[in-house]
Amino acid sequence: QVQLQESGPGLVKPSQTLSLTCTVSGGSISSGDYYWSWIRQPPGKGLEWIGYIYYSGSTYYNPSLKSRVTISVDTSKNQFSLKLSSVTAADTAVYYCARGTTVTTLDPWGQGTLVTVSS
Amino acid sequence: QSALTQPASVSGSPGQSITISCTGTSSDVGGYNYVSWYQQHPGKAPKLMIYEVSNRPSGVPDRFSGSKSGNTASLTISGLQAEDEADYYCSSYTSSSTGVFGTGTKVTVL
Repeated sequence: QVQLQESGPGLVKPSQTLSLTCTVSGGSISSGDYYWSWIRQPPGKGLEWIGYIYYSGSTYYNPSLKSRVTISVDTSKNQFSLKLSSVTAADTAVYYCARGTTVTTLDPWGQGTLVTVSS
Repeated sequence: QSALTQPASVSGSPGQSITISCTGTSSDVGGYNYVSWYQQHPGKAPKLMIYEVSNRPSGVPDRFSGSKSGNTASLTISGLQAEDEADYYCSSYTSSSTGVFGTGTKVTVL
């Protein structure tokens, strides 16, 4: 079955760009009409939807993050990526990637990766 | 977009039924039949429990059921079990073609 795994730096300095990659195994990222999504969860808090890239290449972002977020796909590596610019301590969170059959039907999820923003 | 509103906590005894509400607006919950529910145990990734308001993925016990009325969706857990103790989040599609999560509900099995 399809599995997702997040990777990237666990520590990012304020004002820099957070970059994460989600590697998809057990299936091709370019097969099927899926919504490749990113979600985050600050420590002790709730889930926040970041955005997704549809198989067609269209992207949709949380309006509150839209000016700082870019989601892209690398089909040759079977990966999709998240970039969040101008980070602050408020961006400290566990970041999850997930595959959606609709925007809200997310399954499976990656295990999550903690990114801390600190100098 | 504002987070959907859920009660902070709900509790029940083993065997009882509990219901978690998820209130949005006509631009999200009330406007689309794309409401999902996720279960999250501490330190784990969320798990899909209900999709498109009332559908259960394969492997999810039929004790879990979902419904919607107007701008409010609900998750009911019947025959509550100890392993159901977790955080639960609703999610809805929005008129901006984005998604939004609920504030989360901690379920405690007494």
